Amino acid sequence: DAGVIQSPRHEVTEMGQEVTLRCKPISGHDYLFWYRQTMMRGLELLIYFNNNVPIDDSGMPEDRFSAKMPNASFSTLKIQPSEPRDSAVYFCASSQGGWMNTEAFFGQGTRLTVV
Amino acid sequence: TQLLEQSPQFLSIQEGENLTVYCNSSSVFSSLQWYRQEPGEGPVLLVTVVTGGEVKKLKRLTFQFGDARKDSSLHITAAQPGDTGLYLCAGAGDDMRFGAGTRLTVKP
Repeated sequence: DAGVIQSPRHEVTEMGQEVTLRCKPISGHDYLFWYRQTMMRGLELLIYFNNNVPIDDSGMPEDRFSAKMPNASFSTLKIQPSEPRDSAVYFCASSQGGWMNTEAFFGQGTRLTVV
Repeated sequence: TQLLEQSPQFLSIQEGENLTVYCNSSSVFSSLQWYRQEPGEGPVLLVTVVTGGEVKKLKRLTFQFGDARKDSSLHITAAQPGDTGLYLCAGAGDDMRFGAGTRLTVKP
């Protein structure tokens, strides 16, 4: 397996525009996590899915953020409208069986810059 | 929400030195993981500790889980430049949350 694949690797957009980040988890993994990483706040859990169903979205900062997982092999994180403070590296991770004694495999991240 | 505090935030040492970094919380965790992240990459798992008091060794890295399963430490012996990176701890409870990390630089 090629691992967790995220696209794009880099995204630069203007304030107010819609941004969609994409993630392909490792085949067979039933958990998918979206994280955001900044120098100030570290790695923050935004939302996670189990078997394509959102379980906990309490980390999603605002209604401008939404995430979907239409099938086991694809997830999106959308920001609409984007703001400069959304600039960060967004990571997708997947695991088999949750986070108890299992490894979360991370993608390479999408570096988002909102100007 | 379980909060994990890591210390120190930054650490710069010379090759060959020993070091210890810490991960502390007021919450009890079912398990705790340590990840290392290199620039431009996602975190990669180093170890998972499950039992209170557990000690695991990975070559020059020694990981310890506190007896009460609230804290952990990572000790590196004879650090090498290849050990440079961001070391993150993650606690498993209601979900999995990460500490802010210790950014380690090992100078040749």
